[in-house]
Amino acid sequence: ETGVTQTPRHLVMGMTNKKSLKCEQHLGHNAMYWYKQSAKKPLELMFVYSLEERVENNSVPSRFSPECPNSSHLFLHLHTLQPEDSALYLCASSVETRALGYGYTFGSGTRLTVV
Amino acid sequence: GNSVTQMEGPVTLSEEAFLTINCTYTATGYPSLFWYVQYPGEGLQLLLKATKADDKGSNKGFEATYRKETTSFHLEKGSVQVSDSAVYFCALSDRSGGGADGLTFGKGTHLIIQP
Repeated sequence: ETGVTQTPRHLVMGMTNKKSLKCEQHLGHNAMYWYKQSAKKPLELMFVYSLEERVENNSVPSRFSPECPNSSHLFLHLHTLQPEDSALYLCASSVETRALGYGYTFGSGTRLTVV
Repeated sequence: GNSVTQMEGPVTLSEEAFLTINCTYTATGYPSLFWYVQYPGEGLQLLLKATKADDKGSNKGFEATYRKETTSFHLEKGSVQVSDSAVYFCALSDRSGGGADGLTFGKGTHLIIQP
């Protein structure tokens, strides 16, 4: 148990489906993140939330829609995805975005396959 | 902008061999540096960190020293075990730009330890 829980662990969806990824942390952290991990590529930061407010969106396509209803929960809503969106989606949390010396706590990820 | 460069591998070693995984970085400010490890099927776990020049981070027999003069943070272990087989990520956190950036990661180094 890492302190950050992601569900589901695996997801297969068609290009016309709508699904959501869920992330939950009870570490008292104020910042949460979505990362995309694709084979042979560096980890890509997608979204940053600080105290439930989105503070960064790294030019992510609109077919990915994040939601942070409170500081413990983070969602990634997916719709009309493409096969190239297949990847491991990782959620992470940290004390705050400005706490340089603190690492992030990652969840185990959701392995997404778009067919 | 910020960047992290590390050898991609795979790096294959025999058990009890000495390990070095090189990591160099480019940052606009004075970053904190991290090594993360990802075991198969799991998310990333913080392995060690250093927040200022000449600091040495250590954990589970792994060490890395923050070298500002060479902008490096090489990971070392004196005697590796089969259980160390994983992907290792070097990362930095730098807030000098003023944005709420997430961690910047290298591409990861796949380490394989053979019995």
